[in-house]
Amino acid sequence: GAVVSQHPSRVICKSGTSVKIECRSLDFQATTMFWYRQFPKKSLMLMATSNEGSKATYEQGVEKDKFLINHASLTLSTLTVTSAHPEDSSFYICSARDPEFAYGYTFGSGTRLTVV
Amino acid sequence: QKEVEQNSGPLSVPEGAIASLNCTYSDRGSQSFFWYRQYSGKSPELIMFIYSNGDKEDGRFTAQLNKASQYVSLLIRDSQPSDSATYLCAARWYGTSYGKLTFGQGTILTVHP
Repeated sequence: GAVVSQHPSRVICKSGTSVKIECRSLDFQATTMFWYRQFPKKSLMLMATSNEGSKATYEQGVEKDKFLINHASLTLSTLTVTSAHPEDSSFYICSARDPEFAYGYTFGSGTRLTVV
Repeated sequence: QKEVEQNSGPLSVPEGAIASLNCTYSDRGSQSFFWYRQYSGKSPELIMFIYSNGDKEDGRFTAQLNKASQYVSLLIRDSQPSDSATYLCAARWYGTSYGKLTFGQGTILTVHP
């Protein structure tokens, strides 16, 4: 099946710095990528939907200037957490529609971000 | 507001028993439902999806959908300790932007030997 490669798997950064998370679709074109955030023992919260070549659609309450999403190609979407603070520490996961399966979504392996 | 609610759990069952996980949703519009399993520190993996009323079976798993009552459930037969995980129910409403999923809060299942 379709595979989404997400990097890095873990990152620790200092407060005030920016962190970029990449999701690449392997062997398929992901026209749409979903970005989620998950707090410990909580469910996945959709942050935004990114589409190749256009601006991302952010969910209500998500700061667009803090969580920059770029979907410059059909195989790469990136999430940049700008000026990170400890409260941004979380598990971030990307997901793409599986082109081989009408009801399928392929998830990246997730990125554990810790801001110190 | 389209919402998905899961029974809070945690749920603990003995090995070999049937685990029953439930989920309700708020909007009667046409939709499809997904059950994901998530191990700690990992991303979700799809167990089953269902979009028609009734039961759908796949191995030890059975998904049940009742659109009139607005609930969907997942039964796990012959539960194994390896089934211990968080189970996420998700819904996709037709016509929503780009087919985004709405997740429930998850139910933690523990299968004890």
